[in-house]
Order: sequence, then C-alpha cells, then structure tokens
Amino acid sequence: GESVGLHLPTLSVQEGDNSIINCAYSNSASDYFIWYKQESGKGPQFIIDIRSNMDKRQGQRVTVLLNKTVKHLSLQIAATQPGDSAVYFCAEKDGGTSYGKLTFGQGTILTVHP
Amino acid sequence: NAGVMQNPRHLVRRRGQEARLRCSPMKGHSHVYWYRQLPEEGLKFMVYLQKENIIDESGMPKERFSAEFPKEGPSILRIQQVVRGDSAAYFCASSPPGTPASEQFFGPGTRLTVL
Repeated sequence: GESVGLHLPTLSVQEGDNSIINCAYSNSASDYFIWYKQESGKGPQFIIDIRSNMDKRQGQRVTVLLNKTVKHLSLQIAATQPGDSAVYFCAEKDGGTSYGKLTFGQGTILTVHP
Repeated sequence: NAGVMQNPRHLVRRRGQEARLRCSPMKGHSHVYWYRQLPEEGLKFMVYLQKENIIDESGMPKERFSAEFPKEGPSILRIQQVVRGDSAAYFCASSPPGTPASEQFFGPGTRLTVL
C-alpha cells in the first residue's frame, strides 16, 4: 500500500545549528501533512501541519516545506536546542476521508549536542 | 483542561490473558483514534470511533482485538488471548467534532508487554 517514509533515520547537530528532517510520501491523494515530535516515553506532540494546496508554512522556529512534484516534505528547525532532541515523524492524512486517519513515517532521531 | 489520559501506562500480561487499555479523551472531544507503535517504528492506525460508534476499524486485526467508546466513560481497546507479537505501545488520540486532523491530541500511551 502507499506509505510515508523518511530518508534519514538519525540526525546529529550542534546546538544553535539549523536542522532539516526529510520525508518522502507516495500517496498523491493525501491532502494534509503533519509533523510530530515524540520524546522518550511520551505520545506524539503536534509541531506543524500543511495542506496540499500550500508549499510552505512557518511556525515558531519551524518551517515545513512541501514539494508535490517530487512528493517530498521537510521540517526545518532554526537554532536547534537540546530540548529539540526527540524522534520526529511525518504523517499524512488520507485525502479520501474527512476524519484524521493518519499514516506515519518511520521516524528520524534528532540528537542535539550542547 | 486536562489532556488525553491513558491507563494503565504500563501493562504486563502473560500469553493468553486479556489486556484492557483505557483512554479518556480531552473534555469536549467526541472522536477517538487508536494507534499501535512497535519499537523503532511509526504509529499505525487501528481504529476510529465516535461516541457509541465505530467509524473505521480498517487497521484492527480481525481477531482478538475490539474497541468501544461508550456514551459514558472512557474508550476501551481490548485484546483477548494476547500473544508476544501484541507487545507494543498503544496510543489514543482525541479530537473535537468538525476539526481537521491537526487538532488530534495524543495521550501518553500504554506500553503493553506480553511475557
């Protein structure tokens, strides 16, 4: 079946650097994409989302980019902090449903060194 | 406003026993989703419920698994005759009616270990 996946399973950065986490998706019918942060022993925490009719959305220190031509999604974190260390998941919403049935990618482990 | 609550946080069962996982959605939320997460993997959708109704159970195994969301009380994910392969973290998420998926709030999860 169609799925969402990630290029890099791990990413290590220095505090203050910018981080970029990538995600490839295969379902061209997906209409909504979300990035989640999951810390050890906790549930996923919503970071930022983007609709399929947009190509960029910015939040506080985070930016999500969507390239529908190559079916690629990225999360950029500016001035990465140790507290950003976690597993990051992209997820897509099934465009054929009106409810939040999400398909998650495998995850990228972000480690921020002080 | 308390977040999504799940209990127990950790559950240990022997093969063949039953596991009951509970999820209390955020106040005012009438939609509940259950997901399963195996070690080092992303979450996998299991079931979507509204009050007293199962809307989509396409991710639920056909046997031994059931879910409910009664008019009163928490949502329950029930696993009968557990096997070692059921060991995983089970997360529920809730959302109010009429909102997109981004309004889905996750609980802390129940970590099930089958011995």
